[in-house]
Amino acid sequence: DTGVSQDPRHKITKRGQNVTFRCDPISEHNRLYWYRQTLGQGPEFLTYFQNEAQLEKSRLLSDRFSAERPKGSFSTLEIQRTEQGDSAMYLCASSLVAVWEQFFGPGTRLTVL
Amino acid sequence: GQQLNQSPQSMFIQEGEDVSMNCTSSSIFNTWLWYKQDPGEGPVLLIALYKAGELTSNGRLTAQFGITRKDSFLNISASIPSDVGIYFCAGQRSYGNKLVFGAGTILRVKS
Repeated sequence: DTGVSQDPRHKITKRGQNVTFRCDPISEHNRLYWYRQTLGQGPEFLTYFQNEAQLEKSRLLSDRFSAERPKGSFSTLEIQRTEQGDSAMYLCASSLVAVWEQFFGPGTRLTVL
Repeated sequence: GQQLNQSPQSMFIQEGEDVSMNCTSSSIFNTWLWYKQDPGEGPVLLIALYKAGELTSNGRLTAQFGITRKDSFLNISASIPSDVGIYFCAGQRSYGNKLVFGAGTILRVKS
């Protein structure tokens, strides 16, 4: 399978714990995006990378959130001191620089108790 | 928050019927994309539109990019049970940039 992969698919954690999600983009895609989706809404942009550089961050990305793409391949999204409001589906997408289409992974469903 | 308005919010139709849904924006986008999402999965790209006025088909799906660049619509002809899901429009201002999504149209089909 050469699509975008995300791990884990589901995560249940207690409030206050830290969690980390991983995204592996489509091979050779140099742009990688993180979105968050809550129930009944469309995905909302969080941040994106071109290769290892983080080019844009949304205001939704509070200081408890940090994303990295250290070698320009996979990316991680960490949430520190989770809150119940962080419960959502976290989606990763990838694309090539000079094209419009973004391809999404299956998402990581986070539940904060 | 969301900047795109999708309508209808949900639809319940008979198998074999045609379906129309649309998406409007208060600002201009240079690309419109339509995605379908099944429960517990990520969105899957259906159609991408690149030019104002463009009409594009993908099987039973037809989408159009509005001339004002502030709207788009999606038609599904002869709906079948596997068309069930949530359809999202997304606008993009430049290539490689973030997508702005609507809240989705839920499609339910009676078999």
